[in-house]
Amino acid sequence: QQPVQSPQAVILREGEDAVINCSSSKALYSVHWYRQKHGEAPVFLMILLKGGEQKGHDKISASFNEKKQQSSLYLTASQLSYSGTYFCGTEIRNAGNMLTFGGGTRLMVKP
Amino acid sequence: SAVISQKPSRDICQRGTSLTIQCQVDSQVTMMFWYRQQPGQSLTLIATANQGSEATYESGFVIDKFPISRPNLTFSTLTVSNMSPEDSSIYLCSVPGTDNEKLFFGSGTQLSVL
Repeated sequence: QQPVQSPQAVILREGEDAVINCSSSKALYSVHWYRQKHGEAPVFLMILLKGGEQKGHDKISASFNEKKQQSSLYLTASQLSYSGTYFCGTEIRNAGNMLTFGGGTRLMVKP
Repeated sequence: SAVISQKPSRDICQRGTSLTIQCQVDSQVTMMFWYRQQPGQSLTLIATANQGSEATYESGFVIDKFPISRPNLTFSTLTVSNMSPEDSSIYLCSVPGTDNEKLFFGSGTQLSVL
């Protein structure tokens, strides 16, 4: 089942923050986050495996709730380079990274 | 990290013809995945290609339309058969990283069917 992503699109000014959510009707084994720039392949950002987990690097972080049904991606002090489409990819069970992707969130950061 | 070479990068094809997309990985991998990304849409898994066995297709995708070969642990092909304009999409191959914690994607094949 495809996870539900929200919002579908976000427009930010440089320096502003954004939150992207990814929800599943079932408990998940893992959540992956990817960013895709126009005309390019998706690029891995991070993976969350444990309920209650939070992780991140630089100004991009993510959380996985205790029930493992929702994950959020946090973009703080956004930069122009953050523009792109963000996808969450989920696994219901350990299936070797056979992911089901959400519908995507288009993020545009303006100067 | 895995380096994936996918070709062609783009093609324009006539209705009713077939196109074979190649995916070469710089290391041996057990599983390779083929995804389709329709214009402005998300990525949808077409099938999982395992070396030495038939590919496993997701709901809505059939072998006659999307035959897949996996002759060895570094190479796979996806054929889009009897194409129609509805097949116009980006097709991406992907493989798990060595730590099995991420997917690496090829650069994709942008297919336009007239």
